Formats: sequence, C-alpha cells, structure tokens
Amino acid sequence: DTAVSQTPKYLVTQMGNDKSIKCEQNLGHDTMYWYKQDSKKFLKIMFSYNNKELIINETVPNRFSPKSPDKAHLNLHINSLELGDSAVYFCASSILGRGELFFGEGSRLTVL
Amino acid sequence: AQSVTQPDIHITVSEGASLELRCNYSYGATPYLFWYVQSPGQGLQLLLKYFSGDTLVQGIKGFEAEFKRSQSSFNLRKPSVHWSDAAEYFCAVVDTGGGNKLTFGTGTQLKVEL
Repeated sequence: DTAVSQTPKYLVTQMGNDKSIKCEQNLGHDTMYWYKQDSKKFLKIMFSYNNKELIINETVPNRFSPKSPDKAHLNLHINSLELGDSAVYFCASSILGRGELFFGEGSRLTVL
Repeated sequence: AQSVTQPDIHITVSEGASLELRCNYSYGATPYLFWYVQSPGQGLQLLLKYFSGDTLVQGIKGFEAEFKRSQSSFNLRKPSVHWSDAAEYFCAVVDTGGGNKLTFGTGTQLKVEL
C-alpha cells in the first residue's frame, strides 16, 4: 500500500499543452509539497499546502497552479508547457513541524 | 535562509571499502538534518535524521551520520559499501518554522566498483 502515490509516472507532451499531475497520501499527514528535480538532479521546492492552505509558494511561473482539495490530495496543473518544464516532479507529505518528509516516486515530464 | 553544501559531486569507492559523504549546512537555529538516497529512476528514501540528542545517528542499510555543530557538518558514513549502495545521496535541512521547507544539497553520486 503506497504511502505517497503520484500519477502519472511518465508524461510526454508537446510545447504549449496543459497537463496535470496528481498526488495522494495515506499517511494521515497534514502537509503536502511539490518539488522539482531538474536534469542535474537538483531538488527545489515549489509549493506546500497545510490542511488545504497554501503555505509555501516559491518563485514559480504562474503557469503552475497547485490545488489541494483535501489534506490527502495535492495536484499540480501546468499551463502552456515549455521545454524548460521538463523535469521530474516529486510529491511529498509530512506532519507540519515534524520535519521528516515522505516522497512519492516522482512524475517524469518530458516536453517536446 | 538555510542552505546545504555537498562538496563532492561524484565519489567512487570499491565494494567493501568505507564511505564518507560530506555535508555542510547553514542554519540559524538548531538544525533538523536528513540524508536521503535516490536510486536510479526511483523516489527519495530517508536514510536517517537528526533532530536533537545523540550526535551520532544510525540509519537504515548500515548508514550512520555524525552531527558536528562546531563544523556545521553532518557527514554520512558506512563502514563497508555494497554494490547496491550505488545511488544519488542528498543531504537536507528543514526549516520547521517555515512550513517544513526542506532544502536539499546538490547531491553526491556514489559509484561502487566491484
């Protein structure tokens, strides 16, 4: 039973398209995150939600829009995809204040 | 703002040899520190963590790390490396007062020679 699951695992699309990635956690955590891992393996936080409220919003183009319908789900929608959006996007969850994050297996997005 | 430095981009060791991966952090208060491992094509798995107390922490897969406040370091060690340890290793520090924001180092890629 996967703790943090993301779908899809792989996504190949054309520039200019819109795509979404979904994430679900069954750990009972109250906080969820999106991280982006670039081609050099560098991991950078994008967004974080605590109990459906946005608490971290790094400098990310507004083409990226996260949504958290409830504390167990966090989705990422990307409009007008660009080549530079190609990356692996990781979802994670935690209990706020407890520090430790649990990660999903990632969603590899390739923009052609 | 907190930051993490992993000075070694690549490290190659022979199977059975000892390993030490370096990590230096910058954080104003007592840091919460982590080591994660990422195998090829996989997500990130937590190896170990330091919150407080004993400065030598034990993790999974035979790894340990030592927190040294005077050196702002949290180096990862393993006495005898196995071929399956080949992976990318990330050190990270969390800002518990800033929404649990986890800041990663740039990673160290470990190769194991048989």
